[in-house]
Amino acid sequence: AQSVTQLGSHVSVSEGALVLLRCNYSSSVPPYLFWYVQYPNQGLQLLLKYTTGATLVKGINGFEAEFKKSETSFHLTKPSAHMSDAAEYFCAVSLPRGGGADGLTFGKGTHLIIQP
Amino acid sequence: GAGVSQSPSNKVTEKGKDVELRCDPISGHTALYWYRQSLGQGLEFLIYFQGNSAPDKSGLPSDRFSAERTGGSVSTLTIQRTQQEDSAVYLCASSLGRFDQGAFFGQGTRLTVV
Repeated sequence: AQSVTQLGSHVSVSEGALVLLRCNYSSSVPPYLFWYVQYPNQGLQLLLKYTTGATLVKGINGFEAEFKKSETSFHLTKPSAHMSDAAEYFCAVSLPRGGGADGLTFGKGTHLIIQP
Repeated sequence: GAGVSQSPSNKVTEKGKDVELRCDPISGHTALYWYRQSLGQGLEFLIYFQGNSAPDKSGLPSDRFSAERTGGSVSTLTIQRTQQEDSAVYLCASSLGRFDQGAFFGQGTRLTVV
């Protein structure tokens, strides 16, 4: 089974500052990793994903994340925060095979607040 | 349709009533998930359908919860004898069935039990 830990239920940054949202996972096999964003009163939208290959992945809206196997981490970053980035962010992990609850496991989410 | 569609978007019901929540997945997606999102909580897995296989119901919190998926497409989540603690946003997602594709989510149904 796998699990996901997101450090910090709330993160506040100033507009224009670096965004760093932390995600650590545990998995018995190399996982697939995802970041989703949820804007108020909306469903989840896939930001980016890591499956295989390049460990630095780029997503929509200027976000990127780096898979670090040695640290079991998949932190999400953006060089310069914008007011429109304010949302809830979820890290998720799945195994390359299997199903059910192991198919897609989510962290508890991090609420990103952008200060003007 | 182009995305995952859920209905209704909002539902207010009285305690003890039954409710049905509907999910129309993306056409061709074989996998369908139901999650529950409560205030301040993450996403709680409820049930998972994959093609014609028996669904994984391991996340259903009680026997008051059930779900069906007809014809490998539309799914209905039913909650019987609703309780106030059932109040939450119920999210449906679908995927191609390969976990490296991630999943696409609907906008959810906000259920309020009064």
